[in-house]
Amino acid sequence: DSGVTQTPKHLITATGQRVTLRCSPRSGDLSVYWYQQSLDQGLQFLIQYYNGEERAKGNILERFSAQQFPDLHSELNLSSLELGDSALYFCASSPNRGPGNTIYFGEGSWLTVV
Amino acid sequence: GNSVTQMEGPVTLSEEAFLTINCTYTATGYPSLFWYVQYPGEGLQLLLKATKADDKGSNKGFEATYRKETTSFHLEKGSVQVSDSAVYFCALSDPLLSSNTGKLIFGQGTTLQVKP
Repeated sequence: DSGVTQTPKHLITATGQRVTLRCSPRSGDLSVYWYQQSLDQGLQFLIQYYNGEERAKGNILERFSAQQFPDLHSELNLSSLELGDSALYFCASSPNRGPGNTIYFGEGSWLTVV
Repeated sequence: GNSVTQMEGPVTLSEEAFLTINCTYTATGYPSLFWYVQYPGEGLQLLLKATKADDKGSNKGFEATYRKETTSFHLEKGSVQVSDSAVYFCALSDPLLSSNTGKLIFGQGTTLQVKP
């Protein structure tokens, strides 16, 4: 158990819909990361937050957004869903924001868009 | 830009065989290097890490040495078990301190299947 909690574990929704994925980081960790894992794209970095502020942005679509709240939990919002958004979405956390930190991953949220 | 290249899988071995999974990287500066493992139906778990040249990371019988001269971080295990069957990911941490981000850049993953 990494200490990173993600909900829901599985989600099936229709095209055009909107979903929210939730993440609670390890106790004391200030950085939260979101990754997307799909068969064709592998593990893609989406976005990083540090203590409530956006720190780095990766290959995140405009239809996707995220935020980190004062209690440090984070949400990833996916809207206007398309079939290609079906993937495993990981949240991860680390104590600090800089390079070299060990990043701990949750078990992921499986999203299936039908 | 920064990138990680892993050997293509799947790798199929018999129990007690020697394992090597190759990983090379491209980066400006000196990144930290990681191996993560993903067991079927589970999330990513850190297997080992190395933060500077010539460091050796080790865990659960797995080892990898940070080779700056060959920009490599190959994963090895002397005797694999069926329970080692999983997907292994090599990753690097953005080496630029000025970027001030801890994000990881992953290789494409290598599937290991160990047969009894």
